[in-house]
Amino acid sequence: GAVVSQHPSWVICKSGTSVKIECRSLDFQATTMFWYRQFPKQSLMLMATSNEGSKATYEQGVEKDKFLINHASLTLSTLTVTSAHPEDSSFYICSARADRLVYEQYFGPGTRLTVT
Amino acid sequence: AQTVTQSQPEMSVQEAETVTLSCTYDTSESNYYLFWYKQPPSRQMILVIRQEAYKQQNATENRFSVNFQKAAKSFSLKISDSQLGDTAMYFCAFHRGNNDMRFGAGTRLTVKP
Repeated sequence: GAVVSQHPSWVICKSGTSVKIECRSLDFQATTMFWYRQFPKQSLMLMATSNEGSKATYEQGVEKDKFLINHASLTLSTLTVTSAHPEDSSFYICSARADRLVYEQYFGPGTRLTVT
Repeated sequence: AQTVTQSQPEMSVQEAETVTLSCTYDTSESNYYLFWYKQPPSRQMILVIRQEAYKQQNATENRFSVNFQKAAKSFSLKISDSQLGDTAMYFCAFHRGNNDMRFGAGTRLTVKP
């Protein structure tokens, strides 16, 4: 099956710094990648959708200047949390969609971000 | 807008018994896809089963089956012969065409020995 990786799996950063999370599709080309945020014991909330080579589309209420998303290639999308604050601490999950199967999404293992 | 509702925040079942998780959704579309995902403590999202709305036959994957009622906009998941490894959060999800996937609030299932 299709595999999506995320790096790092867990990151701790200090308030005010920036942190980058990578999402890679390992064995397929992902024209579209999605970034979700999940608070403890809650559901996945879509943050943004990124298409390779174009600007990401952010969901209402998500600060695009705070959560920078880049989808520079068909196998890599990055989420950069800028000027992180403790309230940004969360579990971030990416998923990738191969063009040939429009409805199928493959999820990464997630990244736990802790901002101190 | 599409919404997905899971009305059971928590459920429990004895090992080897059967449990049904409920999901309803709201859409005006006629062609879409429905999914059940499992999220164990590792938090990796695992696809359990999917259903295409245009298919009348209910999907089945080993011990997992769905009861898809399109007119009622209902999509329940039945787990037969429950196993301890089935303990997890279960999310119902809706996907329409080229758009993103929307998730329900989730049901925490505990399988008791």
